[in-house]
Amino acid sequence: EPEVTQTPSHQVTQMGQEVILRCVPISNHLYFYWYRQILGQKVEFLVSFYNNEISEKSEIFDDQFSVERPDGSNFTLKIRSTKLEDSAMYFCASSVLGASGGYTFGSGTRLTVV
Amino acid sequence: DQQVKQNSPSLSVQEGRISILNCDYTNSMFDYFLWYKKYPAEGPTFLISISSIKDKNEDGRFTVFLNKSAKHLSLHIVPSQPGDSAVYFCAARVQGAQKLVFGQGTRLTINP
Repeated sequence: EPEVTQTPSHQVTQMGQEVILRCVPISNHLYFYWYRQILGQKVEFLVSFYNNEISEKSEIFDDQFSVERPDGSNFTLKIRSTKLEDSAMYFCASSVLGASGGYTFGSGTRLTVV
Repeated sequence: DQQVKQNSPSLSVQEGRISILNCDYTNSMFDYFLWYKKYPAEGPTFLISISSIKDKNEDGRFTVFLNKSAKHLSLHIVPSQPGDSAVYFCAARVQGAQKLVFGQGTRLTINP
């Protein structure tokens, strides 16, 4: 069964540092997403990406965040200057048809900002 | 943001019986509803979805019912199996958008 792969599984970083979370979506999928889940809270949408550009983003996805698909297979989320409140589980997802078809999620990267 | 609510944080069901997970929503612009299952240390796994123009969708042991007038949907699992023990998330999509809005999740425990 095809998988969405995320690396690393756990990242610890100091406040103010930049982090890049990496994802390899399923190869024939066209839509890519980042979500996050702060401990004890809901899964929250961050951004969707289609046709090499952001198609939708939430109010959480401010100037500190950026996404990139640098080489046709990887999909990255960069946080420029991490804050304590960025500590969360970050999930990458991809889909063929968009949200109605159901996404395939990766296993997540646990980001801990200290 | 309480657009999608799962009011039961946990549910315990005996193996072989029916599990019923509930979800309420407030936004009339949702056009798709989805259920995801999540095990610890894994990402959510898509289970089943339903379009807002339908009232029932079935896939094996899983059936989702949608009551638009009550803005309520439910997931039925029959018969429940130990491997069904997980956190179940209800999610919804606004028409024309890509993002999903998730509920808080319900932890289902299937007892032998």
